Amino acid sequence: GDSVTQMEGPVTLSEEAFLTINCTYTATGYPSLFWYVQYPGEGLQLLLKATKADDKGSNKGFEATYRKETTSFHLEKGSVQVSDSAVYFCALSNAGNNRKLIWGLGTSLAVNP
Amino acid sequence: DVKVTQSSRYLVKRTGEKVFLECVQDMDHENMFWYRQDPGLGLRLIYFSYDVKMKEKGDIPEGYSVSREKKERFSLILESASTNQTSMYLCASRDSPQTQYFGPGTRLLVL
Repeated sequence: GDSVTQMEGPVTLSEEAFLTINCTYTATGYPSLFWYVQYPGEGLQLLLKATKADDKGSNKGFEATYRKETTSFHLEKGSVQVSDSAVYFCALSNAGNNRKLIWGLGTSLAVNP
Repeated sequence: DVKVTQSSRYLVKRTGEKVFLECVQDMDHENMFWYRQDPGLGLRLIYFSYDVKMKEKGDIPEGYSVSREKKERFSLILESASTNQTSMYLCASRDSPQTQYFGPGTRLLVL
């Protein structure tokens, strides 16, 4: 069945460092891909998404490109801030799964000043 | 602005109690979801509903039931709470482009 694998955390960075969180997927057909973020003590919120191959999702300085050839959707940010400290979840949605979200396990990011 | 609310942020219950977790969305979405979130296990789908009075089991429905009497409200019921149901419970609703909108979560402790 469909699955999502993302890099294990925790990831610890200094402010202004470059961030990459890897996400790869296994799916039949043409899934949509998502990154959600969960700030401490809160629910999840959509960070960005891409619905077809080569699409780039972007928001708040974060970017991710839907790469069908490598089945990847890596999250990047050029210069992280302390306020980016959160847990990041990669997910996919596929017509074959009733469009339910298939989730990665989450990657915790801590940014130090 | 999109809004999903959950009835409690924190709950403490005793083993064997019946527990109701309420979720309300104001977006007229047809699809609603209940997840639990545990360290190292990510988000696991308990139940979802694709319309009023319609429900479908997710990956871990055992020990839970749900109710969807009105479009905006989706309730999760723990018939007889057990300590292994101590968790964070997250409700979400979904619009047609597949984006799920989450509530703030309910942290449940079962003693």
